[in-house]
Amino acid sequence: SQQGEEDPQALSIQEGENATMNCSYKTSINNLQWYRQNSGRGLVHLILIRSNEREKHSGRLRVTLDTSKKSSSLLITASRAADTASYFCATDEWGAQKLVFGQGTRLTINP
Amino acid sequence: GAGVSQTPSNKVTEKGKYVELRCDPISGHTALYWYRQSLGQGPEFLIYFQGTGAADDSGLPNDRFFAVRPEGSVSTLKIQRTERGDSAVYLCASSLEYNEQFFGPGTRLTVL
Repeated sequence: SQQGEEDPQALSIQEGENATMNCSYKTSINNLQWYRQNSGRGLVHLILIRSNEREKHSGRLRVTLDTSKKSSSLLITASRAADTASYFCATDEWGAQKLVFGQGTRLTINP
Repeated sequence: GAGVSQTPSNKVTEKGKYVELRCDPISGHTALYWYRQSLGQGPEFLIYFQGTGAADDSGLPNDRFFAVRPEGSVSTLKIQRTERGDSAVYLCASSLEYNEQFFGPGTRLTVL
């Protein structure tokens, strides 16, 4: 079963603009991770944020976590054509290491 | 260093046949995971190994699916009497305990 819901399901923006994707989940979590996937194959790990963290940065990526609202957001600044991909959030619960994924956001960056 | 590798990258089989999918995790990673991803969906958990033992196999859909990790490194996912509904991309990941999971490129299984 899918835990998370990503919003929007699809997003199309111009190169250079910022892209924001949101993720909501249902249960208490230990960590939340964001992944990128190109062409329906392997997932690339982007960033992990722990339940006691509120914000994390990595290069052009900014992730926030609001455990009271059970939601997270991923911001990609100054988007590039190479950022075109599907983005997934995944959560793991305390005591369980399996990841539960949302259905993903398909991001298209137009040159 | 080398990432997670999976073989074969593509597998086409006929309904009713047996298949094996292999995963080589990152060296030193104690945890290994199998997920399955259908078109347009996020990956779904199948089974998780800590060392040689299956710590959580709650995601295996039925008893046609089985996985082993006999020496705590390489793992094999085995599917008996394949059905068309088994067609999907099978993803393997590995990690140090309670850390980021790193995924392989996946095996695309097509059951005709």
